Amino acid sequence: DIQMTQSPSSLSASVGDRVTISCRTSQSISSYLNWYQQQPGKPPKLLIYAASRLHSGVPSRFTGSGSGTAFTLTISNLQPEDFATYYCQQSWDTLQFTFGPGTKVEIK
Amino acid sequence: QVQLQESGPGLMKPSETLSLTCAVSGDSISDYYWSWIRQSPGKGLEWIAYLHSTGSTKHNPSLEGRVTVSVDTSRHQFSLNLTSVTAADTAVYYCARHGATTVDIDLFDVWGPGTLVTVSS
Repeated sequence: DIQMTQSPSSLSASVGDRVTISCRTSQSISSYLNWYQQQPGKPPKLLIYAASRLHSGVPSRFTGSGSGTAFTLTISNLQPEDFATYYCQQSWDTLQFTFGPGTKVEIK
Repeated sequence: QVQLQESGPGLMKPSETLSLTCAVSGDSISDYYWSWIRQSPGKGLEWIAYLHSTGSTKHNPSLEGRVTVSVDTSRHQFSLNLTSVTAADTAVYYCARHGATTVDIDLFDVWGPGTLVTVSS
């Protein structure tokens, strides 16, 4: 199966900051990478699909980039509702979808 | 607007079979693939299986054939059975829809609220 890593595992930031989260995969997955946001007690919510495409209704301050084995989620002008945990997920191996371990964005 | 709602036993004993159902409203269950995903503190988010009303199914190899999934189009719901549960199967279980986009990629665009399943003797 394709292993996923994310860094950092957690970070502290302030409202208005620019935040970058990294996701790496154990083998090349082209652009078959999605990003989700999860608030406590809620299911994950799709933000970005195919590495860089913004899901409908998601604010444009969220951007995704990368291909192959290295991907990045950037949140510009961090808002109070953005404090959450973020997960990457690969869809290259459709026999076993896998998720990253998550990055928790906390208020500084 | 499509909505998903999981239902399940809540508390189970080891070796029992977990049965979960996901009710789909607001959309045709026949038009999409559907997945079961679980989340535990120890293992994070783990994809379990997907299914389609045509009978196409696939499950996570790590679950060693313990998984059966099925769909009931007349009741607008799909189900998960997981046999021989242990404490390691304690998790929040989600059902999710594979969304359709202009790009050929599997993504989970609609999720149920989740149901907590605890396995304890």
